[in-house]
Formats: sequence, structure tokens, C-alpha cells
Amino acid sequence: QSVLTQPPSASETPGQRVTISCSGSSSNIGSNTVNWYQQVPGTAPKLLIYNNNQRPSGVPDRFSGSKSGTSASLAVSGLQSEDEADYYCAAWDDSLDGRYVFGTGTRVTVL
Amino acid sequence: QLQLQESGPGLVKPSETLSLTCIVSGGSISRSGYYWAWIRQPPGKGLEWIGSSYYTGSSYYNPSLKSRVTISVDTSKNQFSLKLTSVPAADTAAYFCARHRFYPYYYMDVWGRGTTVTVSS
Repeated sequence: QSVLTQPPSASETPGQRVTISCSGSSSNIGSNTVNWYQQVPGTAPKLLIYNNNQRPSGVPDRFSGSKSGTSASLAVSGLQSEDEADYYCAAWDDSLDGRYVFGTGTRVTVL
Repeated sequence: QLQLQESGPGLVKPSETLSLTCIVSGGSISRSGYYWAWIRQPPGKGLEWIGSSYYTGSSYYNPSLKSRVTISVDTSKNQFSLKLTSVPAADTAAYFCARHRFYPYYYMDVWGRGTTVTVSS
């Protein structure tokens, strides 16, 4: 099972702000940077945020990430219908000889 | 622009070996600092990292799959492959390949579209 815990769902109306949390431990989020992936159902995941708060080229600045201790969060402001997707946090975990771990995933619904 | 494309059988029998290939185009698989990864997603479930390998042969695997997994990189063909042995029905999933930035920052920045594998007799 996943070692990074996220709420299963979040929802908000268009134009509003939604925040997703990601809880980990000292061996993953506490020691390494956090990434966020967006997955529209039926498609491949897409890197949304890397190194806690960096956006790859082409990702709107409506998406922002932060990290504190062993937790991280993703915020989506000015919510749009195309933001309806599954969001996964991820990080390297230093335990068990090293492994990459994903969060449990959060389905964001735009009401 | 780097692109990845998965290929392989869509149906595998239980207890047999699942084999997939990821062809890398638009860039070198030998680029320093990048591993090559496989990730899977069972129907209706979340993402699971399978493992990542470097062109030199260095590899990291998910501990829960380590005894059954091999990821190998072929620099002559600019592709990498996944072998998963003794598959049960629970290995039915969409399988994705990805480029995996490694140390000190770990993230997957380029993904293939994925391929669905069903384990059934």
C-alpha cells in the first residue's frame, strides 16, 4: 500500500481555489523533494510540480506546490473545468534500499 | 522533443512472463542523470512504481516486486524493457514507461501513453 496519504476527493466551483494535502514521513517527504502529477482519466500522468514548487514549462501558474516537514500540498487557484482529474503526490523514499512512492491519489471535481 | 512508446502483448497467461518494451525517440537513452522507469496502474486504482534503471546497469526496484522484476536498457536500440515473471491476475494493469530524473531530485518528466496488459487464461 502507498506510504503517502492523500484525501480521496476534493471539489470546488469554477474560479475557486482547491488544496490537496499529502502526508508522508521522515524517510520520504521529510528527506526528499515532492512532485505532483495530474492524470485525466484514460490518459497518462503528467508532471505538474517538481522539487516541491517548480512548474515544468507549459504548466499554468494557477498550480502551486509547497512542503513543510513531512507534509506537502498542491493548490489550484482559478479552478477550471479542465482541471478535473486525479492528482498524485510522489517522492523518493530512502528506506528499503531506496524506492519511489506515489500518494493514494485525489480526484478533483469541478462542480 | 523526447517521446516514449510502449509495446508488447495485451494478454498474458497466469504464471507466464510479462514482457514490454519502451522505445525512446527524440533523445538519447544514455543521457547522464536520467534513469528509465516503469509504472503501472490496476483498473480503477492508483499509480505503482515498478522500478527504474540506468544505462550503465544500475537499477532500483519496488521491494514488493523485486523478486520478479527486471528492467534492462539497450543503448544500441535506444529502448528499455520490462520483464515480470510468474504473473498472477493481480498484475492486470495499464503499464507506463517514463524518463526518471535521478539524484538529487527525483521526478518523472516524460511519460509514454501506456499499454494495457490483461493476465488471464
